[in-house]
Amino acid sequence: DAGVIQSPRHEVTEMGQEVTLRCKPISGHNSLFWYRQTMMRGLELLIYFNNNVPIDDSGMPEDRFSAKMPNASFSTLKIQPSEPRDSAVYFCASSLNQGTGELFFGEGSRLTVL
Amino acid sequence: KNQVEQSPQSLIILEGKNCTLQCNYTVSPFSNLRWYKQDTGRGPVSLTIMTFSENTKSNGRYTATLDADTKQSSLHITASQLSDSASYICVVSVSTGFQKLVFGTGTRLLVSP
Repeated sequence: DAGVIQSPRHEVTEMGQEVTLRCKPISGHNSLFWYRQTMMRGLELLIYFNNNVPIDDSGMPEDRFSAKMPNASFSTLKIQPSEPRDSAVYFCASSLNQGTGELFFGEGSRLTVL
Repeated sequence: KNQVEQSPQSLIILEGKNCTLQCNYTVSPFSNLRWYKQDTGRGPVSLTIMTFSENTKSNGRYTATLDADTKQSSLHITASQLSDSASYICVVSVSTGFQKLVFGTGTRLLVSP
């Protein structure tokens, strides 16, 4: 298996622009997580899907952030409009059994908002 | 408040030496504790997952310990190699219907030749 696949790996955009990050989880995994990592705060959970349904989005910073999982093999995290403080590395991760087992991370999408 | 604290923040050791990283947590209800290795520019990779009843777990040169009474864990790296240079993140799982993970901020390890 290719693992969790994220795109783009790097994104540089200007404040106010829309950003869309994409994730393909490991085939067969029923749980998908979006995390944000910064030097100051480490890894923070943004949203968790189970069987394509959002279960916990309490970590989503504000209305500018939205996430979708239209099917079991694809998810997006959208930021509109983007702000400089959104600059971070965004990770997607997937697992079996609602995350009770091992969590597999993608390589991350590094976002820079100028 | 659920928290995971790691020490030291950073560490430099010579290749071939051993080192121990510490993790203290205040998490309830506890489900399991995980150690992840994160190379620069990469995603975290799981090293070990330990449940309440496990005191020690090894993965090659990595040995994790867990003391559920004192809520402490350690990760011991034996005979360090240059490839061990990475951040090591302690993660505690909270059992809340689904497993919510509480992340430490990591220990950055540099193994010097």
